[in-house]
Formats: sequence, C-alpha cells, structure tokens
Amino acid sequence: EVQLVESGGGLVQPGRSLRLSCAASGFTFDDYAMHWVRQAPGKGLEWVSGISWNSGSIGYADSVKGRFTISRDNAKNSLYLQMNSLRAEDTALYYCAKNRGFGFFDAFDIWGQGTMVTVSS
Amino acid sequence: QSALTQPASVSGSPGQSITISCTGTSSDVGGYNYVSWYQQHPGKAPKLMIYDVSKRPSGVSNRFSGSKSGNTASLTISGLQAEDEADYYCSSYTSSSTLGVFGTGTKVTVL
Repeated sequence: EVQLVESGGGLVQPGRSLRLSCAASGFTFDDYAMHWVRQAPGKGLEWVSGISWNSGSIGYADSVKGRFTISRDNAKNSLYLQMNSLRAEDTALYYCAKNRGFGFFDAFDIWGQGTMVTVSS
Repeated sequence: QSALTQPASVSGSPGQSITISCTGTSSDVGGYNYVSWYQQHPGKAPKLMIYDVSKRPSGVSNRFSGSKSGNTASLTISGLQAEDEADYYCSSYTSSSTLGVFGTGTKVTVL
C-alpha cells in the first residue's frame, strides 16, 4: 500500500524549532520529488517546500524562506522539514505529499494525513 | 506570490453540472500546463482529481474534467452527486520565487 506518514508535530513556543518527518512506503521513494503543504485551521492549502529526487533542486515559499529547511534520506525513505524561528502564523496541519510525475513540480498524487504544529506561548 | 483566485462557493442540484474557475497570471496558470485540482472533505487529506490541466488519475470519475483558457483554469463536475460536496483547490507551478501556488479554495454545496 502506498503510504505517507508524518510525525514530529506538537506545541512549540514562538522562536523555537521543530523537525517534521515523513515516512514513505509502497513506492520507489528515490524516483520522485517530495513536497510539504500546510493548512492553517479553517484556511486553505499553502505550498511550503519541495525537493527533487536527488536533492539537487529545492524550493521554498517566500513565507518560510530562510527559516525552514527541507531534506530527504533516500536510504531511509524519509522526508524532513526543519523549522526554525517559528511564528504564530506557522500554526497549521503540515502534509507530506508525493509529486506525481518524475519532474520537480506537477501535481501531488499521494498525501499523508498530516501532523499538527501549534506555535503559541 | 498571491494565491490563485477561486470563487468562495458554488452550488448545484443533484444531476446538474457546475464549473469552478481558477484565475492566475501568465507566470503560473497561463504560462504552464502544471495545473491540478484537489478535492478535500472535512477532516481529510486532499485528493488529486485533475493534473496537467485536464488529465484524470486512475480511479477518478469521468464526471470530473479540467480545462484552461489564458490565465484561467476550470474544473467542471457533471452529474453532480451528494458525495461531491467538499472543498476544491486548484494549484499551479509558478515561475516566481515561490515555485508552487494554490487557489483560495471553493466550497461546493449540493442542494
């Protein structure tokens, strides 16, 4: 079964850090780009970051650039998001998503269930 | 990079057809064919319904179709069913510094 399982969310104070993980199974992980997408409570979807299959191409939304770092470990079939200098506006459900095609960004065909990040003092 | 513009809500009766628009710019929707659509039911993860403007993933009903004209993409749901009631989001690759952008989202209500 094709599956993505996120972990690492929680309650964190403003200015602190958190690292999210996404474990992939059921497909050849190192063939595909991977992405993080977030959704603030009651709000819409926002693309956060993406990484190509070999980590050669990486992109970030302007809202997180300089604070978040995406990475992957193909040997462990895992995707990560290191989030530093967290702000209240980063509070959201963070989804891990698989790129559908073999390019860097076309569509997201597999999604995890998300991990909740709450930034509050 | 601003979000792509979608109507906040669209409604229709069972069996009818509805169309959701997604308006961007020549830097995103108008410039690339990497437009996709997602369905999201409350408390659930989004589901890919359309990719590359008009292609349907395996398992998605052929009642869902996509198209694009200029800077505006559209999702049409024909033969509307109760299970289609959900939020729908478009997405596009963008040449701006933010590589990806989603639409503002549309709530579809089946009357």
